[in-house]
Amino acid sequence: AAGVIQSPRHLIKEKRETATLKCYPIPRHDTVYWYQQGPGQDPQFLISFYEKMQSDKGSIPDRFSAQQFSDYHSELNMSSLELGDSALYFCASSSGATAYNEQFFGPGTRLTVL
Amino acid sequence: QKEVEQNSGPLSVPEGAIASLNCTYSDRVSQSFFWYRQYSGKSPELIMSIYSNGDKEDGRFTAQLNKASQYVSLLIRDSQPSDSATYLCAVLSGGGADGLTFGKGTHLIIQP
Repeated sequence: AAGVIQSPRHLIKEKRETATLKCYPIPRHDTVYWYQQGPGQDPQFLISFYEKMQSDKGSIPDRFSAQQFSDYHSELNMSSLELGDSALYFCASSSGATAYNEQFFGPGTRLTVL
Repeated sequence: QKEVEQNSGPLSVPEGAIASLNCTYSDRVSQSFFWYRQYSGKSPELIMSIYSNGDKEDGRFTAQLNKASQYVSLLIRDSQPSDSATYLCAVLSGGGADGLTFGKGTHLIIQP
């Protein structure tokens, strides 16, 4: 079965640079979520989109922004990168937007900020 | 602030035995509960979802939910070495496309 696709899988940036992470949800899934997982930490919710509209917002820094496009893929834009932004970034997708929707995670993008 | 608590472990269980993983949550209005398995450096993999009080079984896995006690558990029967991983309890308190609140995970080790 098709899964969530994330690109790139690995990204190395310098401090103060900008990064763009992409997420392609499972076919026919219309809801996308972004999570950040630091070393030894649990995943922290950043932001979600349902039908191309922002739905919920978690601990996303003001330096980060995201959007969902007409084909339901999503991009997370990260500016003025800091060393502390080094983490695994996961995208998850679900079908619909109810409390009973299961979220399926992509393989993640490992971001390293030097 | 919504909190999800898990014993970080490591929890060591002999191969073939039952592994029992526990989770408590603070938000009484939480509606949905999930167990994810995560191998080191990999993404969380959904194992079970449970929404109502009682037990839910899927193969070797059984999830148990007690909303009055704000308690969720996962039982793994006939534990295999491949079950060795970190198990994350996740809770959804709101509706719509809300984000999950995760516990810090329990590191499970199945001893051959």
